[in-house]
Amino acid sequence: SQKIEQNSEALNIQEGKTATLTCNYTNYSPAYLQWYRQDPGRGPVFLLLIRENEKEKRKERLKVTFDTTLKQSLFHITASQPADSATYLCALRAGSARQLTFGSGTQLTVLP
Amino acid sequence: DGGITQSPKYLFRKEGQNVTLSCEQNLNHDAMYWYRQDPGQGLRLIYYSQIVNDFQKGDIAEGYSVSREKKESFPLTVTSAQKNPTAFYLCASSSTRHNEQFFGPGTRLTVL
Repeated sequence: SQKIEQNSEALNIQEGKTATLTCNYTNYSPAYLQWYRQDPGRGPVFLLLIRENEKEKRKERLKVTFDTTLKQSLFHITASQPADSATYLCALRAGSARQLTFGSGTQLTVLP
Repeated sequence: DGGITQSPKYLFRKEGQNVTLSCEQNLNHDAMYWYRQDPGQGLRLIYYSQIVNDFQKGDIAEGYSVSREKKESFPLTVTSAQKNPTAFYLCASSSTRHNEQFFGPGTRLTVL
């Protein structure tokens, strides 16, 4: 069956360090993968999109990699800050499907 | 100010009652979506619509109904047939060319 797994439910890191979140998928051939940030009680906010033919994408302190052989995406936040604390969701769209399928998210806490 | 709005923010319902959640967008997006989020879980797709007067079932459509009479509006009705309706409901929209989704603030529905 198709499955999306994010590496852990919660991740705590020290301010200034790089946070690395993992998104693994099985039985998908995604056209692209997206990452969203969600704060408690709010809707997710889109961060980055990476397509199947792209290895890496960057936006300010954020970096996403996409390895279709490993069936994995890594999401990095460099020089992390307490304001980066949130739940991060990965989502992928397979083939011609219009709808996204979301992972359950990783709750990141950046400690001051 | 472009965006997507949902109302109400909190909604309480007695068992056996139908309730309608509102979703409006002024982003001129063709596609709209309804998701359900339960604690510690990712988003699950209820219904989506790619164009006015057309909509498709998502993964968990049973006990829900939608309409798409206007491009801007995509209301969701939670019927009495939905066995476990207490959840956080999120509406989203996207353009047909750029598939990142823009989310509303959500409606938290509690069945008493």
